[in-house]
Amino acid sequence: EAGVVQSPRYKIIEKKQPVAFWCNPISGHNTLYWYLQNLGQGPELLIRYENEEAVDDSQLPKDRFSAERLKGVDSTLKIQPAELGDSAVYLCASSLDRTDTQYFGPGTRLTVL
Amino acid sequence: ELKVEQNPLFLSMQEGKNYTIYCNYSTTSDRLYWYRQDPGKSLESLFVLLSNGAVKQEGRLMASLDTKARLSTLHITAAVHDLSATYFCAVDMVDSSYKLIFGSGTRLLVRP
Repeated sequence: EAGVVQSPRYKIIEKKQPVAFWCNPISGHNTLYWYLQNLGQGPELLIRYENEEAVDDSQLPKDRFSAERLKGVDSTLKIQPAELGDSAVYLCASSLDRTDTQYFGPGTRLTVL
Repeated sequence: ELKVEQNPLFLSMQEGKNYTIYCNYSTTSDRLYWYRQDPGKSLESLFVLLSNGAVKQEGRLMASLDTKARLSTLHITAAVHDLSATYFCAVDMVDSSYKLIFGSGTRLLVRP
């Protein structure tokens, strides 16, 4: 069974540029999460989707971050414009439902210069 | 606000030795996860502990949960180099948010 797929794996951009990350969850998983992981830290939740509905986006910086999950399957996380402090690994995870174990993708390592 | 603390944050141990990683959390929860992360890789689920007194074992790793003490332990028996990785515990919020709060991780290095 394929795991959570993310692309790109690495992205280097200059500050003020836009960037987008893509995630395809495990087939049949209704719940999708985006996390931010800074170096030496545990992941922190940015947004959680139940199917196509964003049910928890309280930690998403809405002035520059946006996300969507059209059709309730794959998802895109966007940053516009990127700032130096956005350099981190962006992880996508999915689970059958909100109470089930979360399975993580390989992440996208973002470097903002 | 739920806080999760792990200790130690870094652990260097010799092959063959035993050691325990601790995970303390600040508010009530009855669902705790342990994940493993290799450098540059994603998080791999190791254990899910769902009730007080739960104990799970896989190979040289054993995890336990004491909800009354708000403490989980990850015990390593006769460590081998392949266990070198960062280990995270994560605790589920008991409210309707179903949010996982992660500890900072314990970076384990097993030396020959």
